[in-house]
Amino acid sequence: LAKTTQPISMDSYEGQEVNITCSHNNIATNDYITWYQQFPSQGPRFIIQGYKTKVTNEVASLFIPADRKSSTLSLPRVSLSDTAVYYCLVGRSSASKIIFGSGTRLSIRP
Amino acid sequence: ETGVTQTPRHLVMGMTNKKSLKCEQHLGHNAMYWYKQSAKKPLELMFVYSLEERVENNSVPSRFSPECPNSSHLFLHLHTLQPEDSALYLCASSQDRAVAGGMGEQFFGPGTRLTVL
Repeated sequence: LAKTTQPISMDSYEGQEVNITCSHNNIATNDYITWYQQFPSQGPRFIIQGYKTKVTNEVASLFIPADRKSSTLSLPRVSLSDTAVYYCLVGRSSASKIIFGSGTRLSIRP
Repeated sequence: ETGVTQTPRHLVMGMTNKKSLKCEQHLGHNAMYWYKQSAKKPLELMFVYSLEERVENNSVPSRFSPECPNSSHLFLHLHTLQPEDSALYLCASSQDRAVAGGMGEQFFGPGTRLTVL
């Protein structure tokens, strides 16, 4: 299972674009990259998943370079409610061993 | 509301008590999970059930005993716990896509906040 590395914390301001990068040097050919968001005392919530290039949904974009050894979660125009912990996961099956890692604690200020 | 419910939401128990946590999913998923999250620590996967069969047990102490009677329900039976077992216990479900590939999105319940005295 590919190990992921993310910054421990990040700070930004309302209205800014926030990019959180995750390193996964040992990603396997069939692995997908998934990001989750977690608020205090709640379960994580799925944000986005991708395999290569770029994926966009209504809340975020995910950029994956050709070598797939890293990925960047992009949150456009963040608000105070985006303050949370963001986790990057790499794997190929929901029934496989899953490691969430320490995540990135994002703090948004007014 | 994620379609995954957990009861109770809060539980306080002594070290000699026996209690059970319940999880129910209304999403038609075929895989269910138990996670433990201690204060300021990452989530730790405890158990995975796929099609009601346990497929993963990450060396969890025997004082935690899971039960999956059907694809919609998951229990975690607790017996003679220790204070260090105090944590948020999260249940999740997903559609296992082991054949189709990819990683199925996991839907998490609100968790049970457990305190062991």
